[in-house]
This record gives sequence, C-alpha cells and structure tokens, in this order.
Amino acid sequence: EPEVTQTPSHQVTQMGQEVILRCVPISNHLYFYWYRQILGQKVEFLVSFYNNEISEKSEIFDDQFSVERPDGSNFTLKIRSTKLEDSAMYFCASSEAPPRIKLGEQYFGPGTRLTVT
Amino acid sequence: KNQVEQSPQSLIILEGKNCTLQCNYTVSPFSNLRWYKQDTGRGPVSLTIMTFSENTKSNGRYTATLDADTKQSSLHITASQLSDSASYICVVSAVTGGGNKLTFGTGTQLKVEL
Repeated sequence: EPEVTQTPSHQVTQMGQEVILRCVPISNHLYFYWYRQILGQKVEFLVSFYNNEISEKSEIFDDQFSVERPDGSNFTLKIRSTKLEDSAMYFCASSEAPPRIKLGEQYFGPGTRLTVT
Repeated sequence: KNQVEQSPQSLIILEGKNCTLQCNYTVSPFSNLRWYKQDTGRGPVSLTIMTFSENTKSNGRYTATLDADTKQSSLHITASQLSDSASYICVVSAVTGGGNKLTFGTGTQLKVEL
C-alpha cells in the first residue's frame, strides 16, 4: 500500500541553523501539507500546497518557513533560522483532493522529530 | 475562532470493553469531520470521515456519529483490544477558498489494559 515517507526521522540542530525536512508524498496525490505537533500538544496546521504554490497557511507559518516541491516526488519544509520553540514533530501529509470534500482524505507520514538546542 | 474540544482527556478501559469518546466543535462553515488514530510517535491514521448529511459511519469496531445541529460527534469502540491504545483525534474541516485548513482536537488518550 502506498505511503507517505519522511526523512530524517530525527533531526537535531542548533538554534539559528537552517533545516530542511523532506517528504515523499503518495505518487498520484496532488495536495500536500505540513503540520507540526509540539510534545504533548495538538497537531497544528502549517501550510497546504497545490499546483506548485501555497494554497493556505496558518499564522504559525511565518517568513522563516518555506516549502518547495523541487522535483516530481519530493516536498520539503525549510526553516531558515531555527528557534528553541521550533522543536516539535513535523508531519507531512498528502491527499488526492482538497479536504473540503470527503474524498480529500489525508495520509500522514511518520513524522520528523526536530530538536533545536 | 474555530475550535475542537474532546473529552475525556484520557481513558483507561479493560480489554474487551466498549468505550465512547466525545467531540464538540465550533468550526464554520463546516465541511466534514474526521476521526484519526495516532499511535505514539507516529502520524495520524484516518478512521472515518463524515459530511454534514451523514449521521453515522462505521469502520470495523469503530463507529462514529455526527449531530451537525448540536455540533457534536462521538467515536464508539466496541470489544476493545490492546492495540487500540492510542490517541484518538477529532478533526474538523472547514470550507475555505484555499486547499485546506483542518482544525485538530487535543485528542483522547486511550489505554486498554488486560
């Protein structure tokens, strides 16, 4: 069964450093998402991406974040200058259709645990 | 502000027993409601998706209900198994101009014991 994959599974970085989190969505999916989950808290939406552009983003997704689909398979989240409060689990997800319709079921990857020291 | 509240926060039950988890939401305009299961350290996995017109949806031992008038949903788990131990998250999708904005609840942490 196709699945969303993410690398690395765990990333440790120093405050102020740039990190790139990578995701390979399910191959026939068109909509891509990033979420984060701070330890012990709920999952929070960061950004959605469709047709090579951001379709929606949350207030969390400020100028230090960017997303890119550099080729036909990868979907990346870049954090330019990491802060301690960026430490969280970051989940990538993909769907065939937007979630405003029922078929927009999202499939989540296993997550990347980012630790900023 | 769109919000999703879940109760109880945590629950311990014996294997074989049934349980019901609750979700209240204030998300507008409503599109659909999903229940996800999240194992520790893993991504959420979809259990059910319901639109406005659906009152109930089953997936094996999981049955979700939706009352769009009162903005409440429940997830009923029958004949619980040890593998059901996980966080169960209620997620509501709003109709937006963009691709997505799901609002997640904080989850109910379920532990099934022998």
